[in-house]
Amino acid sequence: GAVVSQHPSRVICKSGTSVKIECRSLDFQATTMFWYRQFPKQSLMLMATSNEGSKATYEQGVEKDKFLINHASLTLSTLTVTSAHPEDSSFYICSAREGQGWYEQFFGPGTRLTVL
Amino acid sequence: EDQVTQSPEALRLQEGESSSLNCSYTVSGLRGLFWYRQDPGKGPEFLFTLYSAGEEKEKERLKATLTKKESFLHITAPKPEDSATYLCAVQVSGAQKLVFGQGTRLTINP
Repeated sequence: GAVVSQHPSRVICKSGTSVKIECRSLDFQATTMFWYRQFPKQSLMLMATSNEGSKATYEQGVEKDKFLINHASLTLSTLTVTSAHPEDSSFYICSAREGQGWYEQFFGPGTRLTVL
Repeated sequence: EDQVTQSPEALRLQEGESSSLNCSYTVSGLRGLFWYRQDPGKGPEFLFTLYSAGEEKEKERLKATLTKKESFLHITAPKPEDSATYLCAVQVSGAQKLVFGQGTRLTINP
């Protein structure tokens, strides 16, 4: 099956700093990547959709200046949490899809962000 | 509004006790329905895609079925390693994103 990796798997940072999370599709070209966040015992909440070479589309209520998404290549997307605060602490998961049609989304292992 | 509802929220079974998880959906147009398994602290793992009513897919002890209103994930003679949260998601026609249900937390006791 398709493999998606994320780095780092876990990060702890101080309030006010910025954190970058990488998402890579290892064995396929991902025309579309998605970023989710998940709080304990809750389902996934979509933050944004990014198509390679285009600006990301953010879901309602997600601050695009705080959560910067870059999808510069067909195998890499990054999420930067700028000026992180404790309320940004969460589990961030990316997914990738090969085509823009109805192809399956494959998920990365997730990144646990803790902001002190 | 497109909605996906999973039931039950949590389910405890004894090892070998077969059961079914339900995913009902109300969408403007169904492009595909997906089942994922998620273990604590990990990303969802893809299980099945179903595209049209009447379709069925199987993988080991799991079987997914689809009607025009809902999908079932049947688990036959489960083992403790089947314990996980099972997520159902739909892709609506004309949209790229998935709409997720809240998940069913399945626990299989030995």
